[in-house]
Amino acid sequence: AQSVTQPDIHITVSEGASLELRCNYSYGATPYLFWYVQSPGQGLQLLLKYFSGDTLVQGIKGFEAEFKRSQSSFNLRKPSVHWSDAAEYFCAVGATGFQKLVFGTGTRLLVSP
Amino acid sequence: EAGVAQSPRYKIIEKRQSVAFWCNPISGHATLYWYQQILGQGPKLLIQFQNNGVVDDSQLPKDRFSAERLKGVDSTLKIQPAKLEDSAVYLCASSLAVRTSTDTQYFGPGTRLTVL
Repeated sequence: AQSVTQPDIHITVSEGASLELRCNYSYGATPYLFWYVQSPGQGLQLLLKYFSGDTLVQGIKGFEAEFKRSQSSFNLRKPSVHWSDAAEYFCAVGATGFQKLVFGTGTRLLVSP
Repeated sequence: EAGVAQSPRYKIIEKRQSVAFWCNPISGHATLYWYQQILGQGPKLLIQFQNNGVVDDSQLPKDRFSAERLKGVDSTLKIQPAKLEDSAVYLCASSLAVRTSTDTQYFGPGTRLTVL
């Protein structure tokens, strides 16, 4: 069965600084990987996803993520954080077949002025 | 395009009472999901429908939880009787395709349940 680890519960970044959120996965085959963002009181919104091909994936809102098979990682990055990026970020891994997603526990991003 | 609709947004009940949540997926989406998100955790899949059939309910506590998807469109999730540990946000999601792992799931705003 697949699993996801997000080692950082909270991260605080200054506005304008760069961001990297870590995600490690466990899955026996080629994984399908996703990053979602959840703002307070709202549902999850897809930022980006990786299925195959180029290991650097571009998403919405200026986010990107890099798939590294050797490290079983799919870290999320943004070169310059805006105050509106403050939210909770979830990494998820999908299994083949019926598209079951397994989510990590999330990383809460705080943006300081 | 309208998103996934859920109601109610908030619900407070006492333990041993029953409660029901409603979800209307995006029009034309074949697959519908119910997730439970406990505070401080990621969403956990409870049940997945493909049209009006169940494809995965392995993590649904069937002694108290039930769900149905009438005519392959709307869905209801019921808890009876509720326990304190059922306090969580219940998220509904839908996706377009029937059998692809690469399809995007679109989430509703969720229903926050508090069991006292």
